[in-house]
Amino acid sequence: DVQMTQSPYNLAASPGESVSINCKASKNIIKYLAWYQQKPGKTHKLLIYDGSTLQSGIPSRFSGSGSGTDFTLTIRSLEPEDFGLYYCQQHNEYPLTFGSGTKLEIK
Amino acid sequence: EVQLVESGGGLVQPGGSLKVSCVASGFTLSSYVIHWFRQAPENGIEWLAYIHTDSRYTHYAETVKGRFTISRHNAKNTVDMQLSSLRSEDTAMYFCAREMPIAAIFDSWGQGVMVTVSS
Repeated sequence: DVQMTQSPYNLAASPGESVSINCKASKNIIKYLAWYQQKPGKTHKLLIYDGSTLQSGIPSRFSGSGSGTDFTLTIRSLEPEDFGLYYCQQHNEYPLTFGSGTKLEIK
Repeated sequence: EVQLVESGGGLVQPGGSLKVSCVASGFTLSSYVIHWFRQAPENGIEWLAYIHTDSRYTHYAETVKGRFTISRHNAKNTVDMQLSSLRSEDTAMYFCAREMPIAAIFDSWGQGVMVTVSS
């Protein structure tokens, strides 16, 4: 199975700042990485797939980069609604696997 | 509005069985592959199984193969998963999700249903 190592576990930032979340795969997953946001009382929201493709309806302050084994989600100019849990998921092979999550909190 | 709603969770004893269901609305269920996932408290998300549009193909994670069975009833807009031989480590929130035409990514998820395995 492809192990996904996500960092940091916790992240605190203020509105207006930029943050980055990293995801490292245990083997080459080419470009096939997705990012999701999870908030209490809401369903998981797809943000990015294929490493850098922005899902329809997602603000352009979200961006993804990387290939092979190393990927990054960057959120520029944080908005209050951006705080929550973020997960990466490799979609290159089965079993699909996820990172352990990053909790983005308000500083 | 695209919506997935899970039901059927609850408390079950070790070794017991339970069926969780996922009801779809706002889209044509028969056109989409549906997956199940789970998330234990303080744990990440674990993929469990998928079922193709016409039920021809199913695929399971090794941790649940032989114990969980996924099925679908397109006319009823429902995808079920029968959970059997349950263990304490199966305690988790269970989610269904719709796969996008681009493989293995998910643009719509349910809110989840809690399954607790305990004596």
